[in-house]
Order: sequence, then C-alpha cells, then structure tokens
Amino acid sequence: SAVISQKPSRDICQRGTSLTIQCQVDSQVTMMFWYRQQPGQSLTLIATANQGSEATYESGFVIDKFPISRPNLTFSTLTVSNMSPEDSSIYLCSVLRQGTTGYTFGSGTRLTVV
Amino acid sequence: RKEVEQDPGPFNVPEGATVAFNCTYSNSASQSFFWYRQDCRKEPKLLMSVYSSGNEDGRFTAQLNRASQYISLLIRDSKLSDSATYLCVAQDSSYKLIFGSGTRLLVRP
Repeated sequence: SAVISQKPSRDICQRGTSLTIQCQVDSQVTMMFWYRQQPGQSLTLIATANQGSEATYESGFVIDKFPISRPNLTFSTLTVSNMSPEDSSIYLCSVLRQGTTGYTFGSGTRLTVV
Repeated sequence: RKEVEQDPGPFNVPEGATVAFNCTYSNSASQSFFWYRQDCRKEPKLLMSVYSSGNEDGRFTAQLNRASQYISLLIRDSKLSDSATYLCVAQDSSYKLIFGSGTRLLVRP
C-alpha cells in the first residue's frame, strides 16, 4: 500500500487564521480525498482532490472555506480558512492507487481552534 | 437516514469470545465494501474487503448480502488487541468512501 506523509500532525490555532495541511504520497495515486473526523464521530468526506483542476466538494463543504490543491499525482494540500472553534477536528487525507482496492489514510492532523 | 448504519456498541466481551458486527447500507449502487479498524487517536486501517462469496482472514470473516444490503464481520477467539472501533465502509461509483459511525469493541481479560 502507499505510504503517506501528512503534516502537521497537530496544531493549535487562533480563530480567524488559516491552516494548510499537506499530504505527500510515496508513489503516484489515482485518487486523493480529504476527510474530517469530528470528536467522537466517524469520517465525513470533504472533497475529492483532482489533479490540475478544482476539487469536487461534498454537500456542506465549499471551496472558500476548504481550498484544496493537487498539483501532481503525489501531493495535495487542504487549507482550513478563517477558522472557528467548530473547525476543531481531525483532518485526514486518503489515497487510492490504480489497480488496488484498498484505501490508505494519512496519520491525520489534529486541529484545535481557540 | 444514514447511508451506512452500524450499531455503535460498545460490545464488551471476554477474551476468547466470538463477536459479530452488522452493518446495513442504503445505496444499492454501492460497488465495494470494506471493514476498517480504527484505534484511539489513530487513522483508520483496512482490515478486509468484503465480498458476496464471503472472505476469511485468520480469525476474521466478512460477508456481504447484496439482496439485503447487509454486511457482517465475525471475530473469533477475541484478543485484547482486537479492542478498537470497527468501521463499515461502502464505496460508491465515484470511488468515494461512505463510512458508518463505527462499532466500538472492548475485549476484557
């Protein structure tokens, strides 16, 4: 399976600021996704990161709040903009490599907004 | 109604017990199914894929019933290290994963 480096692993941020999370994969992957896991809950898909074009967002998530970049097949970023305490959560990237069925997850970014 | 539904538990069982988790999904177009395991403060990790023919991996057996839109996971001879949250996951035609809320398992000595 793919090896994912997700950074930062955790951060504490002031409200109104923005944080960019990076996801680097050790090999080219077909699909990259960004998820959010709020305390005590399961994972919710934020968006699919598309290489060289705008991400595809799920209902309830918008580009202005969660801008995503994917400049190539091994790297993506998620920015959490204008943060509020409600954005405190774990953010995870996930990848699917062509020809495989198993999705691999990054180790997550634990974000606390104060 | 959630797309993927699971009993949240917790299931509290003694070591050596057999425990079964059930899951239902609402989107009949879902293409693939998985069980993931998530330990506290860790990312989800793939436990096994689920097939209609059923599949077994050591002490773990997974089964899919497409007609009933039902998925199961059976764990035999439970170990303390099996304590975790088990996530039932459906993949749609866009390769997106839809997660259930998870079933928490506690295996006691």
